[in-house]
Amino acid sequence: EVQLVESGGGLVKPGGSLRLSCAASGFTFRSYSMNWVRQAPGKGLEWVSSITSTSTYIYYADSVKGRFTISRDDAKNSLFLQMNSLRPEDTAVYYCVRTFNWGQGTLVTVSS
Amino acid sequence: EIVLTQSPGTLSLSPGERATLSCRASQSITSNYLAWCQQKPGQAPRLLIYGASSRATGIPDRFSGSGSGTDFTLTISRLEPEDFAVYYCQQYGTSLTFGGGTKVEIK
Repeated sequence: EVQLVESGGGLVKPGGSLRLSCAASGFTFRSYSMNWVRQAPGKGLEWVSSITSTSTYIYYADSVKGRFTISRDDAKNSLFLQMNSLRPEDTAVYYCVRTFNWGQGTLVTVSS
Repeated sequence: EIVLTQSPGTLSLSPGERATLSCRASQSITSNYLAWCQQKPGQAPRLLIYGASSRATGIPDRFSGSGSGTDFTLTISRLEPEDFAVYYCQQYGTSLTFGGGTKVEIK
């Protein structure tokens, strides 16, 4: 069974940084592209970033480009999202997603 | 970038009625890489349909998907109480893109 477990969310001040992690199990992690998707309170789903297998290609939404960095550690079956220069509008639940499989999400709150 | 537009924004129906949800893409979606997912409050989205018309494992047959190219439809043949939720279409041909969602609420 595919399992994705996010961690690392929390409360951070504007301009601060956070690093999200996603622990994957139940599938051959290194073979799959992975994604981060977020959902602001009461809003819809917004794709944030994608990374292909072997990290060959990396993509970002315009809203986070230059501030967020996606990475993966295939040896540890883990996906990461380094978030810098955080803004109040980055407040959201962040989901780790393998195309159709979703983690339970981790809440990031950016507020002074 | 592919933009997905869902309609209507809200659908008010009674249990037992038929629900028809629409998703229109700004350009043709590669190989019908179009999925539908359901989200209930406080929960992560759950896959219902992939490849435009294939039901995911464990999804009841009252859920069906159709369409190709730029126009796709999710149909719930007879609404059960547990089906009242928000539904999103998702393209997965080029990274991921989501529609704005359709809320199916009890009338």
